[in-house]
Amino acid sequence: GQNIDQPTEMTATEGAIVQINCTYQTSGFNGLFWYQQHAGEAPTFLSYNVLDGLEEKGRFSSFLSRSKGYSYLLLKELQMKDSASYLCASLDSNYQLIWGAGTKLIIKP
Amino acid sequence: NAGVTQTPKFRILKIGQSMTLQCTQDMNHNYMYWYRQDPGMGLKLIYYSVGAGITDKGEVPNGYNVSRSTTEDFPLRLELAAPSQTSVYFCASSYDEEGHTQYFGPGTRLTVL
Repeated sequence: GQNIDQPTEMTATEGAIVQINCTYQTSGFNGLFWYQQHAGEAPTFLSYNVLDGLEEKGRFSSFLSRSKGYSYLLLKELQMKDSASYLCASLDSNYQLIWGAGTKLIIKP
Repeated sequence: NAGVTQTPKFRILKIGQSMTLQCTQDMNHNYMYWYRQDPGMGLKLIYYSVGAGITDKGEVPNGYNVSRSTTEDFPLRLELAAPSQTSVYFCASSYDEEGHTQYFGPGTRLTVL
């Protein structure tokens, strides 16, 4: 079957670094997405990885290991506005996104 | 560019009623999607379309219907609403399967009582 696993909730301190992990098992693989979703709002695109390695985009970085079926999203210099849910999604062989349930990130001052 | 727009933002239905959720995109995207998001759950694909006149079922299509008569519009029809259809509905679009980043509308919060 198809499965995306990520932690339900994480807590971090403003100014710190946090890593949100995601493991995936999907029918085929055409890339791994991370989306941010603030409470009551729509998901917004953060990153896409299809090759192994780290992609850096400002304070956010995303890593992929295809052999391990593993990705993480790294958030640096945390700000209060980063409090949101972070959704991991795998693009399967039919180019459909299989979504995790999301990780709710709570930032404390 | 307005991006992806959805109406209405909120709706309360009685069991057995019908309604249409509207979705429009102005990015000339070929692919459009309807998802539902239940609390604590991942997004579930209801239907998708790869172009005008072409639609296909996703993971949870029962109780829903779609049509795609134009590139811009992709309405979702609920017939005989049931409490199990209480959810937040998101419409999304992408250029095609290669330009596969999906852009989401603001969502419709539907309650069926």
